[in-house]
Amino acid sequence: DAGVIQSPRHEVTEMGQEVTLRCKPISGHDYLFWYRQTMMRGLELLIYFNNNVPIDDSGMPEDRFSAKMPNASFSTLKIQPSEPRDSAVYFCASSRQDRHTEAFFGQGTRLTVV
Amino acid sequence: GNSVTQMEGPVTLSEEAFLTINCTYTATGYPSLFWYVQYPGEGLQLLLKATKADDKGSNKGFEATYRKETTSFHLEKGSVQVSDSAVYFCALLRNTGNQFYFGTGTSLTVIP
Repeated sequence: DAGVIQSPRHEVTEMGQEVTLRCKPISGHDYLFWYRQTMMRGLELLIYFNNNVPIDDSGMPEDRFSAKMPNASFSTLKIQPSEPRDSAVYFCASSRQDRHTEAFFGQGTRLTVV
Repeated sequence: GNSVTQMEGPVTLSEEAFLTINCTYTATGYPSLFWYVQYPGEGLQLLLKATKADDKGSNKGFEATYRKETTSFHLEKGSVQVSDSAVYFCALLRNTGNQFYFGTGTSLTVIP
């Protein structure tokens, strides 16, 4: 398996523009997580899905952020409109329904909003 | 609630020094515990894990023992190398649901 695949790896956009980050989880995994990593706040859980259904979105910073998982092999995280403070590395991770199994992370998308 | 508290960094060590990064947790029930490593510019990778009390996880010379009595999962390595320079994250997976809780990460720099 190729692992968790995220695209793009890098994104530079202007303030006010819409940004869409994409994630393909590992086949067969039931859970998908979106994290944001910054120097100031460390690794933050934004939202996670179980079987394509959002379970907990309490970490989503505000209404400008939205996430979808239309099927088991694809998820998006959208920011509209983007702001400079959204600049961070965004990670997607997936895992199986198994309390002994780790989450597998993608390489991340480095977002810069100018 | 559930949480992970990790030793703050950054940590700087000379090559071949002994490493300890402290991690304690708060959880209901019996969580699984993990150490992840993040090399510059990369995602988090699993380093080792332990799924029940007294289990010892080990990998690449790193070890950590699941201590229920002290709610700890300290990471140790007897002799660090320059290539171990990275950020290390302690994490727990609670035994109900599949939510992971991560510590804040500890940056390690090993100098020759």
